[in-house]
Amino acid sequence: QQQVKQSPQSLIVQKGGISIINCAYENTAFDYFPWYQQFPGKGPALLIAIRPDVSEKKEGRFTISFNKSAKQFSLHIMDSQPGDSATYFCAASGGSARQLTFGSGTQLTVLP
Amino acid sequence: DSGVTQTPKHLITATGQRVTLRCSPRSGDLSVYWYQQSLDQGLQFLIQYYNGEERAKGNILERFSAQQFPDLHSELNLSSLELGDSALYFCASSVAFADTQYFGPGTRLTVL
Repeated sequence: QQQVKQSPQSLIVQKGGISIINCAYENTAFDYFPWYQQFPGKGPALLIAIRPDVSEKKEGRFTISFNKSAKQFSLHIMDSQPGDSATYFCAASGGSARQLTFGSGTQLTVLP
Repeated sequence: DSGVTQTPKHLITATGQRVTLRCSPRSGDLSVYWYQQSLDQGLQFLIQYYNGEERAKGNILERFSAQQFPDLHSELNLSSLELGDSALYFCASSVAFADTQYFGPGTRLTVL
């Protein structure tokens, strides 16, 4: 059972544009929602994360919006740059072990 | 650089063989997580160890096993390898059960 659904699968944005990636979860026990960025040949790197008691978190050009009632959260990348071209994964964790359940990933391409 | 190291970077082997992947967590991190990344299954949690003890299991096959040693490094053992085991294997570490997980660069396993 896929517990975190991510869309779109791929996204092409012009430089300076806004990139938006969406995720939805099913398990109400999840209480931590990170976004990871992965470049080819590298491991995932934490970008930004949010907890369900907050509706929005912003770090630089990256913003997470969180809708607890809809069980959805999204990543917004403002002023997208070619260097942002990577695969982005949403994830969720809950319970004592804190293992991550990942979405299927979004391949972002920012055109110069 | 996340501070998590994994060896080897690449591994090519044949079906039916056994391999061992090694992970050294960040200094001070007690928890080690193993994840598998494949094209069809995405990023999936396999198993977690905390201070030498197994704490959580995910979609890990019976042919796979892991352990964490007193110096906190961890090994993932994959046996009776099948073509479908070809994937990227990542380990991640965190401070105890903290939410933030730091991923290593991964081991690319190719089973021929």
